[in-house]
Amino acid sequence: LAKTTQPISMDSYEGQEVNITCSHNNIATNDYITWYQQFPSQGPRFIIQGYKTKVTNEVASLFIPADRKSSTLSLPRVSLSDTAVYYCLVGTSYTGTASKLTFGTGTRLQVTL
Amino acid sequence: GAVVSQHPSRVICKSGTSVKIECRSLDFQATTMFWYRQFPKQSLMLMATSNEGSKATYEQGVEKDKFLINHASLTLSTLTVTSAHPEDSSFYICSARDSQGDYGYTFGSGTRLTVV
Repeated sequence: LAKTTQPISMDSYEGQEVNITCSHNNIATNDYITWYQQFPSQGPRFIIQGYKTKVTNEVASLFIPADRKSSTLSLPRVSLSDTAVYYCLVGTSYTGTASKLTFGTGTRLQVTL
Repeated sequence: GAVVSQHPSRVICKSGTSVKIECRSLDFQATTMFWYRQFPKQSLMLMATSNEGSKATYEQGVEKDKFLINHASLTLSTLTVTSAHPEDSSFYICSARDSQGDYGYTFGSGTRLTVV
């Protein structure tokens, strides 16, 4: 399974755009990149998933360069409620049988006024 | 979207007793579920993969006789912490994947176990 590297923590003010970058140099051809959000004492929540280029949904955008060795989660205009830990994972099998997920350290985002 | 229900949300038990945690996929079938443990300020650590109708696969260092996993149906997996000790106190989380959906893996809300 590809190992991921993320910043341990980030700080932001409310209303700003936050970009969290994840390195995954050993990503395999069949691997997808998935980001999860976790609040204290809750299970992780799916944010976004992508394979290449750019993916956007109602809460975030995911940018993946051509070599796929990194990815950037972009949160537009964060609010206090976006304070959480964000995990980048690779190796999810998008089709076929389920494969196990391995979590890295995650990035602890703190949003303040 | 896919929903995974985990119960109980928190439990306190005495040392030496056993505790069962349930994980249910509410609107989809899951032949495979996963159990994680998370200590304060740390990441999720995969404990085992639960397979419907067969034995669970445990990660290295996880005692299979202590953490009993049963996956008797396509919508239910249980984790039993046997002879619990204070060091087993942790946050336990299950997950499953709806192979028909586009939401990746769905996680339960977690169970806070405190052993006193």
